[in-house]
Amino acid sequence: EPEVTQTPSHQVTQMGQEVILRCVPISNHLYFYWYRQILGQKVEFLVSFYNNEISEKSEIFDDQFSVERPDGSNFTLKIRSTKLEDSAMYFCASSEARQGETQYFGPGTRLLVL
Amino acid sequence: GENVEQHPSTLSVQEGDSAVIKCTYSDSASNYFPWYKQELGKRPQLIIDIRSNVGEKKDQRIAVTLNKTAKHFSLHITETQPEDSAVYFCAATGGGADGLTFGKGTHLIIQP
Repeated sequence: EPEVTQTPSHQVTQMGQEVILRCVPISNHLYFYWYRQILGQKVEFLVSFYNNEISEKSEIFDDQFSVERPDGSNFTLKIRSTKLEDSAMYFCASSEARQGETQYFGPGTRLLVL
Repeated sequence: GENVEQHPSTLSVQEGDSAVIKCTYSDSASNYFPWYKQELGKRPQLIIDIRSNVGEKKDQRIAVTLNKTAKHFSLHITETQPEDSAVYFCAATGGGADGLTFGKGTHLIIQP
């Protein structure tokens, strides 16, 4: 069964550094998402992406965040200048269609900002 | 925006008993309600979902009910087994929104 994959599984970075988290969505899916989960807390929506542009973003997704689909398979989340509070698990998800369709989650990237 | 409340935060049941987790949502335009199971350090995995045109859905030992008038939905797990131990999240979306709004999660503990 196809799955969403993410790399790296863990990333440690210094505050102020840029990080890029990578995701490969399920191949026939058209909608892509990023979520984050701070340790012990609920999963929070960051952004959705369709047809090479942002479809929706939450208030968490401020100017330090950006997303890109650089090629036909990868979907990336960039954090320009990391802060301590960016430490979290970041999940990528994808779905075949938009609302009301199952979102399949990747295994996550655990980001630790020191 | 949507707000999802989930109760209880922790639920301990004896193996073989039933477990019920409840969620309420605020946006009457929401129309899709999935439930995810998350084991420690792993990805959220969909276990069942329901859409607003349906009041109840069942898949073997798992069922979900939806009351649109009251804006609440519940997860029912019967004949609980040790492998059911995990954190369960409810979520809601719809009405023009793409992203899922999650509840805070329920840590389900199955006592042998």
